[in-house]
Amino acid sequence: GNSVTQMEGPVTLSEEAFLTINCTYTATGYPSLFWYVQYPGEGLQLLLKATKADDKGSNKGFEATYRKETTSFHLEKGSVQVSDSAVYFCALGSYGNNRLAFGKGNQVVVIP
Amino acid sequence: DTGVSQDPRHKITKRGQNVTFRCDPISEHNRLYWYRQTLGQGPEFLTYFQNEAQLEKSRLLSDRFSAERPKGSFSTLEIQRTEQGDSAMYLCASSLLGGGRSGEKLFFGSGTQLSVL
Repeated sequence: GNSVTQMEGPVTLSEEAFLTINCTYTATGYPSLFWYVQYPGEGLQLLLKATKADDKGSNKGFEATYRKETTSFHLEKGSVQVSDSAVYFCALGSYGNNRLAFGKGNQVVVIP
Repeated sequence: DTGVSQDPRHKITKRGQNVTFRCDPISEHNRLYWYRQTLGQGPEFLTYFQNEAQLEKSRLLSDRFSAERPKGSFSTLEIQRTEQGDSAMYLCASSLLGGGRSGEKLFFGSGTQLSVL
């Protein structure tokens, strides 16, 4: 079945540092891939998505590229801000399957 | 901005009691989803509706759980005879049915945090 694996543990980094959160997936067919973000006290919201291989999703300075050869969708941001502190979830959805499969999430804490 | 709203935000109950949660989706959205999230885990799919029809249920949804969306607008999730293992955040999401291709965007509510004592 479909599944998503995110790197273990929270991520703590200083403001303006480079952020990478790893995400790999297992899926049949050609899934769509997503990053959702959950800010403190708020609901999950879509950060970016990619619907086919080699697509790059981007939003708010974040980017992720759909790599079919490595089954990955790593999230990156070149210079984080304190306001980027949140929990980030990688997710997968596939055609004809109405559920999203989420990873466990990564807590990101950005220190001034 | 009328996003997805869930009520209540928090619910504390004793084991064996019944609880009901409500979700009001974005008004023009015809798909509504329920997910469950436990501490340190990502959301897990429970069930989904297209308009008033419940089209899919996860094996996580035991017989004690029932969801309805009677008029294709708001939805309720009821848990009967609650157990401590039911303690979790229950998330509702809605979306607008696209053209049948995957990749539709879900809009999530803030969730109902259930604690079963």
